[in-house]
Amino acid sequence: DAGVIQSPRHEVTEMGQEVTLRCKPISGHDYLFWYRQTMMRGLELLIYFNNNVPIDDSGMPEDRFSAKMPNASFSTLKIQPSEPRDSAVYFCASSARGALHFGNGTRLTVT
Amino acid sequence: DQQVKQNSPSLSVQEGRISILNCDYTNSMFDYFLWYKKYPAEGPTFLISISSIKDKNEDGRFTVFLNKSAKHLSLHIVPSQPGDSAVYFCAARRGNSGNTPLVFGKGTRLSVIA
Repeated sequence: DAGVIQSPRHEVTEMGQEVTLRCKPISGHDYLFWYRQTMMRGLELLIYFNNNVPIDDSGMPEDRFSAKMPNASFSTLKIQPSEPRDSAVYFCASSARGALHFGNGTRLTVT
Repeated sequence: DQQVKQNSPSLSVQEGRISILNCDYTNSMFDYFLWYKKYPAEGPTFLISISSIKDKNEDGRFTVFLNKSAKHLSLHIVPSQPGDSAVYFCAARRGNSGNTPLVFGKGTRLSVIA
């Protein structure tokens, strides 16, 4: 089992640029979650999907953030345009029932 | 508004002693609680959980205690080992079906000193 796979591991970009984060969940998991970790707010939920359908996106901070899940094995989180305050570690997690399984995260730095 | 609170950002413990990490929650609808452990540059990994119908769950060196009336849970690690040094997140949800997402605390950084 390869676990949840996220790419890239690190992303450094300039303010105003578009950023796309990618996630491959564990095969057979029907829930997918995007979380963001910052020092100030800890781990906060951005959006989650069930069977590829977005269920709750109330945690998405602004319209600059969007997420898609075109199929059961792939999801993206896009930030356009990016701002320095978006700098954080972004985690994707998947589950079937019970505990979430996290990827290793993408560390985003916006300068 | 933090629904899950870990008021101690850090904790240092001597190897072999007990580590106690605390967590409080405000949402009385939460009925399933989990602890996750996170090493640097890795994602959080599941450690142990407890349902609200129990007040204790044990797995090897790790025990979680739940006090529903106080809306408080704690993680005990006995004996503590240097490899336990990590950030520990408390999390809570309504139900155990995966239908509702986990709400996390901000984490407590545990340092076990040899």
